[in-house]
Amino acid sequence: TQLLEQSPQFLSIQEGENLTVYCNSSSVFSSLQWYRQEPGEGPVLLVTVVTGGEVKKLKRLTFQFGDARKDSSLHITAAQPGDTGLYLCAGGRGGGFKTIFGAGTRLFVKA
Amino acid sequence: NAGVMQNPRHLVRRRGQEARLRCSPMKGHSHVYWYRQLPEEGLKFMVYLQKENIIDESGMPKERFSAEFPKEGPSILRIQQVVRGDSAAYFCASSPLGGSWDEQFFGPGTRLTVL
Repeated sequence: TQLLEQSPQFLSIQEGENLTVYCNSSSVFSSLQWYRQEPGEGPVLLVTVVTGGEVKKLKRLTFQFGDARKDSSLHITAAQPGDTGLYLCAGGRGGGFKTIFGAGTRLFVKA
Repeated sequence: NAGVMQNPRHLVRRRGQEARLRCSPMKGHSHVYWYRQLPEEGLKFMVYLQKENIIDESGMPKERFSAEFPKEGPSILRIQQVVRGDSAAYFCASSPLGGSWDEQFFGPGTRLTVL
C-alpha cells in the first residue's frame, strides 16, 4: 500500500504547456519534499514544505502543501524539455526517521 | 565540497554471491540512509544509520541484508547470497542533522544486477 499516491504516473506534453502533478495521502505529514530524478542519477531535492497551506516558488515551478498537510501539488508553467524527468514526492512523519516516497510522475516534455 | 559518493556504480553478481555497496556521505554529514528503487517505482527506505549505530532498520529484509557505518570509512550495505529479486538500484543519502524532516542529499546509486 502506497502511503503517498502520485498522479498522473506518466505525462507527455509539448514545450510551452502548463501542467500540475499531485501527491496525495490519507495520512498527515510533518513535512513534504519534492525531488527530481534523471535517468541513471539519484534524486535531487527541489523544495521542502512544512506548513499547511504553504506555497513555494522556484522559477517556473510552484509547490503547494495542502491545508491539512495530507497532499501537495507541483505546477510547472511553460514546460521546457529540460524539465523532463521523474518527479518524486516524499514525506516525513513527525518523530520518525523514515522518509516515505511516492512512486513518482514521469514527465516528458517534447520540443 | 564533494557530494555523496557511491561505488561501484554498477555491480553484477551471480545468484548466491555476496554484494557489497559502499557509500561515502558528504563532508560533515554523520547520518546515512539507504534506499532501494525498482524500475518504474519510487524509493523504498531500508535503513538509517549514524556513525557506529543503526537507528532504524525497519525497511530492511531480516535475512541476508546488513548495513554498517563504522567510525572510519564509508557506510556498507551488504547483501549475502543474492537472488534475482535483489536486482535494483540502491541509493544512499546523507544529511547533517538526521530525522525525516532534514534535507537528504543523494548519491548517484549502485545498480545491482543478479544473473
